[in-house]
Amino acid sequence: AQSVSQHNHHVILSEAASLELGCNYSYGGTVNLFWYVQYPGQHLQLLLKYFSGDPLVKGIKGFEAEFIKSKFSFNLRKPSVQWSDTAEYFCAVNARGSQGNLIFGKGTKLSVKP
Amino acid sequence: DSGVTQTPKHLITATGQRVTLRCSPRSGDLSVYWYQQSLDQGLQFLIQYYNGEERAKGNILERFSAQQFPDLHSELNLSSLELGDSALYFCASSVGGRGSEQYFGPGTRLTVT
Repeated sequence: AQSVSQHNHHVILSEAASLELGCNYSYGGTVNLFWYVQYPGQHLQLLLKYFSGDPLVKGIKGFEAEFIKSKFSFNLRKPSVQWSDTAEYFCAVNARGSQGNLIFGKGTKLSVKP
Repeated sequence: DSGVTQTPKHLITATGQRVTLRCSPRSGDLSVYWYQQSLDQGLQFLIQYYNGEERAKGNILERFSAQQFPDLHSELNLSSLELGDSALYFCASSVGGRGSEQYFGPGTRLTVT
């Protein structure tokens, strides 16, 4: 069965610090990968996605992620965080060829101190 | 705003009761997914419909059922409610059924007392 692991439960950073959130998945086949963000009291929003091609993908709000197939990883990065990035971040995977339902990690809560 | 709407926003009910949650997908999207978000289980996939037909089932309890109507809106029915069913229920929609990116609604917060 597929599973997604997010290593950090809660990350606290100061503004302008760099961010890297870890995500590893468990699945032997080809996958589509996603990062979603959930701001306090709001719904999930898609930050970025990887289907195929360049393993370095750029998303909205200055976020990027790198797919490393050999490590089954899809880590999220941002060079300089802002207070407005305070939110919960979810990594998700969907097996290529499946019906499309997403398997989510437990989420990483990011708190950015002004 | 993702274009996916869910009603109601909040629902408070008693154990043993039955409730219906409603979702309207984005215009043009044929697939609807239901997810449950709770503190202990995280975000879990419940069920998917594509153009009116059930396509995939996840960790959905037998007490729960769903359907998608000809106008593509979907309803999730939860019956014989237990305290542990208290959670946020999200609906998402996508154009296709395989690998398309999903857009999430604002969720329905269910509290069972």
